Order: sequence, then structure tokens, then C-alpha cells
Amino acid sequence: AQSVTQPDIHITVSEGASLELRCNYSYGATPYLFWYVQSPGQGLQLLLKYFSGDTLVQGIKGFEAEFKRSQSSFNLRKPSVHWSDAAEYFCAVGYSSASKIIFGSGTRLSIRP
Amino acid sequence: NAGVTQTPKFRVLKTGQSMTLLCAQDMNHEYMYWYRQDPGMGLRLIHYSVGEGTTAKGEVPDGYNVSRLKKQNFLLGLESAAPSQTSVYFCASTVDGGQPQHFGDGTRLSIL
Repeated sequence: AQSVTQPDIHITVSEGASLELRCNYSYGATPYLFWYVQSPGQGLQLLLKYFSGDTLVQGIKGFEAEFKRSQSSFNLRKPSVHWSDAAEYFCAVGYSSASKIIFGSGTRLSIRP
Repeated sequence: NAGVTQTPKFRVLKTGQSMTLLCAQDMNHEYMYWYRQDPGMGLRLIHYSVGEGTTAKGEVPDGYNVSRLKKQNFLLGLESAAPSQTSVYFCASTVDGGQPQHFGDGTRLSIL
């Protein structure tokens, strides 16, 4: 069965520091990959998506993610975090002809002043 | 452009009461979903629909029913609310099942 693993439940980084959130998936075919952000009290907002082509994708709010097929990973990165980036981040996997996408359990990001 | 709208935003129920949560989308999406979100458990799919008149069970369907009589609306019903159904409920929609989903802002439901 398809699955998505976000191994870090909670990460704290200092404002201005770089960030990498990990995501691994388990699926045999070429996946569609997504990262979402959820601010407190809000719904999920799509940060970026990967369908095919260039394995480094750019998203909103200065985020990027890199698809590494050999590692079954799609890690989210940002070179310099801002206090407003504090939120919960969800990785998700879909595929062509699917009826739904699979979400990871989320990583909560806290920012240290 | 409203996107996905959930009503109500907050509700408190007593055990045994019934209620219906409404999700409306204005993007002409075929697929719609209901999730619940509980602390430390991520998003769990309750039910979903791949088109008007269709519904299917997700991973936690017990205690809930759904209907998709109109393409733009997806209703989630609790026939006899239980404290274990206290949660934040999110609705989402998408043009195709493998594509990114658009989420509403959630309904915070407390069952006393």
C-alpha cells in the first residue's frame, strides 16, 4: 500500500536559519508529490507540486523541494526561515488515475527568535 | 472566488444529537473529500466522492454519512454524535483524484 512518512514530528529552527523537512514515500510508479502548509486555525494551502520534469521545484513563500527517485524522497527546503513560517507542513503523494492522495502525518515547525 | 466554503465554522453538540456539515465548492471540481484532524494524527479521510451522486468510504467512516446530490456540494452527517467525534473537520475538492486538493478553512466541532 502507498504510504508517506514524515519522520520529524516537531522541528525548531532559529529565525534566519535554513530549513529542511523530510518526506519519504512508498509507491512503485512515478508519483505526483505535494507539500502543503497549515497555519494555526486555517486549512491547508498548497506550497508546491511535482508531476514530472525538473526534479527541483519552486513553490510559494520561498520554498523549494527536490524529488530524489533513488531515495524515494521529496524534501522541502528554505534557505532562511521567517517567524511567519511557523506552521504545520504536510507532504502528500498522488498518482495518475487515483481517486485520492495520501498525506503524511505532518511536521510542526517552530521558529526560535 | 470563494473556493471551498465550509459551514458552520464552529459547533458544540451534546452526545446523541445529529447535525450536518456543508461543504460547497465553486470550481466545478468532480472530486470532494471529508477529513478529520486530531492532534498528533494528521489528516484522516472519512468519506469522499468522485462525482455527483457517488460516495465512497475512507479510512475512518464509522459514525458518519455523506451525500453528493449536487456537484458543488458535499454534506457530512453525524446521526448520533459521540465525544470521540470531537475534531476539526476539513473539506477538500480537486479536479482529478491525483491532483492537488483545495481545502476549506475547517469546522471545529465539540461533542459534550
